[in-house]
Amino acid sequence: DTEVTQTPKHLVMGMTNKKSLKCEQHMGHRAMYWYKQKAKKPPELMFVYSYEKLSINESVPSRFSPECPNSSLLNLHLHALQPEDSALYLCASSQAEGRSTYNEQFFGPGTRLTVL
Amino acid sequence: ILNVEQSPQSLHVQEGDSTNFTCSFPSSNFYALHWYRWETAKSPEALFVMTLNGDEKKKGRISATLNTKEGYSYLYIKGSQPEDSATYLCAFGKMKTSYDKVIFGPGTSLSVIP
Repeated sequence: DTEVTQTPKHLVMGMTNKKSLKCEQHMGHRAMYWYKQKAKKPPELMFVYSYEKLSINESVPSRFSPECPNSSLLNLHLHALQPEDSALYLCASSQAEGRSTYNEQFFGPGTRLTVL
Repeated sequence: ILNVEQSPQSLHVQEGDSTNFTCSFPSSNFYALHWYRWETAKSPEALFVMTLNGDEKKKGRISATLNTKEGYSYLYIKGSQPEDSATYLCAFGKMKTSYDKVIFGPGTSLSVIP
């Protein structure tokens, strides 16, 4: 199974709502990533988890809260978002093998988020 | 600020044409260069990961070269087919621990006209 799944595919939420994005992989990857992609822009890294520990937070506002409950799951909790947070949110995973191996990332199809 | 640039921004070719595009990246602190293909409504799919200066990789009709000293990589598609239509992203690896932190370029959008 080389698939990364993301749910939901589409999400519309108001600025006062709380919602969560989910990502799952069963490839045994121990590095998982959240990216944000706006139209006609490249994906921008938000968070990296390595061995279920938060390794990188790219100065993301606190209204985005990541969680890695186990090695297969990655969540992104959303609260009090702004309309400018509307974007495609991509999850990815890769093997975590230390400094000597450079690994491709496997991406999910993304969640298209619209904040009203 | 690290800039990863790609050119051209978009490209339209006839079926059967061969084509190539460029990724430019900082030549210092290089770890790896990734190429991804992203078809509309699908997930980005890894094509190549290259780490050594002079690396050449090939997958079917698609190949890539790497020059880390001058900071560029070329992606070549031989005999383009409509199914090659996608956005091609390169990503510069600037850090390697137990995860791969990469910076994506803006992509080259390829349309292959039947």
